[in-house]
Amino acid sequence: KAGVTQTPRYLIKTRGQQVTLSCSPISGHRSVSWYQQTPGQGLQFLFEYFSETQRNKGNFPGRFSGRQFSNSRSEMNVSTLELGDSALYLCASSLGGLSGNIQYFGAGTRLSVL
Amino acid sequence: KNEVEQSPQNLTAQEGEFITINCSYSVGISALHWLQQHPGGGIVSLFMLSSGKKKHGRLIATINIQEKHSSLHITASHPRDSAVYICAVKDSNYQLIWGAGTKLIIKP
Repeated sequence: KAGVTQTPRYLIKTRGQQVTLSCSPISGHRSVSWYQQTPGQGLQFLFEYFSETQRNKGNFPGRFSGRQFSNSRSEMNVSTLELGDSALYLCASSLGGLSGNIQYFGAGTRLSVL
Repeated sequence: KNEVEQSPQNLTAQEGEFITINCSYSVGISALHWLQQHPGGGIVSLFMLSSGKKKHGRLIATINIQEKHSSLHITASHPRDSAVYICAVKDSNYQLIWGAGTKLIIKP
């Protein structure tokens, strides 16, 4: 079974641009969560999608948005990039049951904003 | 006060030592996760617990729901165990709340 796949692995953008990151979950997993990891802040929860609906959202500005498709693949979009958005963006998938499931992480997309 | 607190923040030990990393939380949870992050960013989910104890190889995770506390133990530690170990709890709103992580270094 293939793991969680994130594309691209590395991305360089300039301030003001927008970016779309992609995450393909493990086959059969319906929940996809996105996290931002920076050296200073550690792992920060962005949002979680389950069956194409945003089920939960962290404390990030509206420039950060996401969506999930019918095949459970998810995209995250960041508009009007700022220097502080430079980070490793991690996606995790799970079966998504209410009692909690182990999350499987992708390798991440490293975004550099210049 | 953080809702999930890990201790210690940093831990250096000699190969072969028994390692314990602690996690305390203050919210109601449906599950607790232990994750391992190696240098370079790769994250591996080690355990998901809602009660009791789980064991996988040299790793053991326990949780005490009444005391809101979990521990991760590593027996016969090895330099390849060097990583950041993260505790995360899933609250009643399905949100994962993360601990700050424990950086473990095992010296040969």
